[in-house]
Amino acid sequence: DQQVKQNSPSLSVQEGRISILNCDYTNSMFDYFLWYKKYPAEGPTFLISISSIKDKNEDGRFTVFLNKSAKHLSLHIVPSQPGDSAVYFCAASAIQGAQKLVFGQGTRLTINP
Amino acid sequence: DVKVTQSSRYLVKRTGEKVFLECVQDMDHENMFWYRQDPGLGLRLIYFSYDVKMKEKGDIPEGYSVSREKKERFSLILESASTNQTSMYLCASSLVQNYGYTFGSGTRLTVV
Repeated sequence: DQQVKQNSPSLSVQEGRISILNCDYTNSMFDYFLWYKKYPAEGPTFLISISSIKDKNEDGRFTVFLNKSAKHLSLHIVPSQPGDSAVYFCAASAIQGAQKLVFGQGTRLTINP
Repeated sequence: DVKVTQSSRYLVKRTGEKVFLECVQDMDHENMFWYRQDPGLGLRLIYFSYDVKMKEKGDIPEGYSVSREKKERFSLILESASTNQTSMYLCASSLVQNYGYTFGSGTRLTVV
């Protein structure tokens, strides 16, 4: 029962172009969403988040969009840089969830020079 | 620099052994978590704790137990290691009402 799904295991993008990573969820109680980035041999690091009262949050090159009716969120990276190559995890939490995060399977992003 | 430290980066254990994975954080965080990461499955929550001596089961607690005797330390115990517990184990901590987890670097456990 995968409540948070990232259906693309991998994504390859040219340097300077836009990277779009997608995430779907099934639990309508989720009200807070996050993206984490993970390099090999390191723990995931927090990237950006969005509350369900918003539909967009921006931080520099990173923007997260939330479509509650579709239970879908996406992370846009513009412009993509070689250092963005990593595994990206989408995560979600419910207000009743005691700050527990439910993670997706991850998407490996490769930025090609 | 604040951090979460996991005692071992790599461990190899034999089937049936009792295994202890240790995690220490220096940020005075109330919440601590243990996840395992497997290809195609992402990060799955094993156990978490929101206070000393408090623990809650996550999504996959079978075969595991935890201990939190001090606020800064959260231990994951494999009572009798099995090959299907071969995985990357990640510890994380956070403040109450804060979803910005800080993760450790992980322990790659191989059970043979």
